[in-house]
Order: sequence, then structure tokens, then C-alpha cells
Amino acid sequence: DIQMTQSPGSLSASVGDTIIITCRASHDAGRYLAWYQQRPGTVPKLLIYNVSTLHIGVPSRFRGSGSATEFTLTVTSLQPGDFGTYYCQRYSSAPRAFGQGTKVEIK
Amino acid sequence: EVQLVESGGGLVQPGGSLRLSCAASGFRFSIYEMGWVRQAPGKGLEWLSYIGHDGMTTYYADSVRGRFTVSRDNVKDVMTLQMNNLRVEDTAVYHCVKDIYGGATPFDSWGQGTLVVVSS
Repeated sequence: DIQMTQSPGSLSASVGDTIIITCRASHDAGRYLAWYQQRPGTVPKLLIYNVSTLHIGVPSRFRGSGSATEFTLTVTSLQPGDFGTYYCQRYSSAPRAFGQGTKVEIK
Repeated sequence: EVQLVESGGGLVQPGGSLRLSCAASGFRFSIYEMGWVRQAPGKGLEWLSYIGHDGMTTYYADSVRGRFTVSRDNVKDVMTLQMNNLRVEDTAVYHCVKDIYGGATPFDSWGQGTLVVVSS
């Protein structure tokens, strides 16, 4: 069973802080790893794909890294609009599993 | 502008069936892989299914394999999800999603979703 496990489950940070979210894959995902942000009441928005490629319009404050089974999303200079839930996803093959999500609250 | 509009959700009893549709516009539907993702109330995202650009290849999550069937009509630019033998745990908002480009890629476009409630 392929699983993606994120940590922490939630975090609270202040504007200007740097946050780091970790995603661990039960099976090698290669570089087929994406990150999404979902604000309450909206659909998820693609932030990063292929581990570290920023999607169109995503600010450089968002950075992805890692490989194989361990990946991180780093957000520097946290802004009020960065609150929401972040999900990682593997997409190298089916199932294209998502992590359980990391809820980010702004202090 | 890419638009994905789902329809067909509603209230159904356990064991019942529903057919969801996703009407696509604003892009060349026939060359993109598509899929379905659901989100139960207050829960995370669950990937459900994938369909290749020509409809010949499909994949499913273990939780729905054998009960759900994805298909597409590249003339009408519509993708469908036939859901049979529905269970209470299938209650969720169902989103249609589009791959960012061909091959193994993530989703760059999401529909607003259609709510499915399975309850007696």
C-alpha cells in the first residue's frame, strides 16, 4: 500500500517566519512529487511539481526539495495569504496518493 | 481559460448509483490526461482515478476499484465517473482534475466539485 506521510499535521507561525513541511513516501517517488495549497472554501492550487519546479505565478518564497522518499516544502517570509492546508502528492504512477495534509495557521 | 464543471452529485442511498460528469472547456481536452479527486467533509484529498488522453488507460484507487468507472468523450469534451454500489464513506465533494501536461504529471486545474451524499 503506497502512502504519503506529512509532518507536522499542523503548525502555527508568524508573518515573516520560515516554515518547513516534510513529506515521506512509503515507496520511491523519484522526482514525481508535487505540493498544493488549499485555502478554506477553495480548491487546491498547484504550487510545486517535479520536486522543485515552481508552478506559474508561485512566488520564489516557496521552495521544494528532496528525492526518492523524503521531500520538504519550505516557505520563507511567511505572508498572511499563506495560511491553509498543504498537501504533497506523488504522481509517478497510480495510485497518485496525497499526504494527509499540513494545516498552517498564521499567528 | 481552462474550465472544469462537474455535475451529477446528489443524495443517494447506500448501494445506489450516480453518474458524475465533468464538462471541460478552454483547452484541447483530447490531449490531456484527466482524473477525479474527492474530499470528504473536513478531510483531506483522496485521489480516485486517472484516464489517459485517449481513454484507453484507466487507473483507480483501491477504495473504488470495481465500483467506479471513469470514461471520456473527446468529441463532447466530457469526462464521466460512473459510481455503483455507493457506500456511506463515499460521501464527499468530487473534483474533476486536469494534468498539467502529458505523461506522469500533477494537476494544474480543478473543478469546483459536486457533492455526493450517501445516506439512508
